Amino acid sequence: EADIYQTPRYLVIGTGKKITLECSQTMGHDKMYWYQQDPGMELHLIHYSYGVNSTEKGDLSSESTVSRIRTEHFPLTLESARPSHTSQYLCASRGQYNSPLHFGNGTRLTVT
Amino acid sequence: AQSVTQPDIHITVSEGASLELRCNYSYGATPYLFWYVQSPGQGLQLLLKYFSGDTLVQGIKGFEAEFKRSQSSFNLRKPSVHWSDAAEYFCAVGALRCVLTGGGNKLTFGTGTQLKVEL
Repeated sequence: EADIYQTPRYLVIGTGKKITLECSQTMGHDKMYWYQQDPGMELHLIHYSYGVNSTEKGDLSSESTVSRIRTEHFPLTLESARPSHTSQYLCASRGQYNSPLHFGNGTRLTVT
Repeated sequence: AQSVTQPDIHITVSEGASLELRCNYSYGATPYLFWYVQSPGQGLQLLLKYFSGDTLVQGIKGFEAEFKRSQSSFNLRKPSVHWSDAAEYFCAVGALRCVLTGGGNKLTFGTGTQLKVEL
């Protein structure tokens, strides 16, 4: 089983709150990703990082921000949550070329 | 436990030639199968998916895949490859469980096949 952890598993919060979704991996992977998953299971990349102090926005426009101060940690922050942010958020990491993607169990966020 | 095998690490084809990328899966129940493509610097883009019904699935960009339960395979095909198809392709099997109750989904990915297209 892959060693990539996401917390919290479920989160229900009110509009306007600031939240941080945590993602940590213990495999020493340089590449880490945040995806938003729609009900059809398609994954939309919102942020990625290829190493410490390296972050990029992905295909899907997002109001969230990320940081990569340590290799193992890649948190995602929403400064002011809105109902449109309600979704499943998946964190992933990958090691060297041709290694598989490892996904966390996801955070299911509901903004009321 | 579910698993996905993509036996080809690299494939090189000439532009205009046909393409087949292999994918074999192991899963205890009816699988939900996906093919994703990832270009450098881009996220995973869904090409097609199979949930049930017709075993030949049409996707975007002219791709199709055929689900063969007897062979536990879900190979991706394209009749004529374009240079812009050069990318990495991932096969995945999903366990769509408890979505409505918030149990979450989990996808297991293969290790990917890198496609190069020669002009």
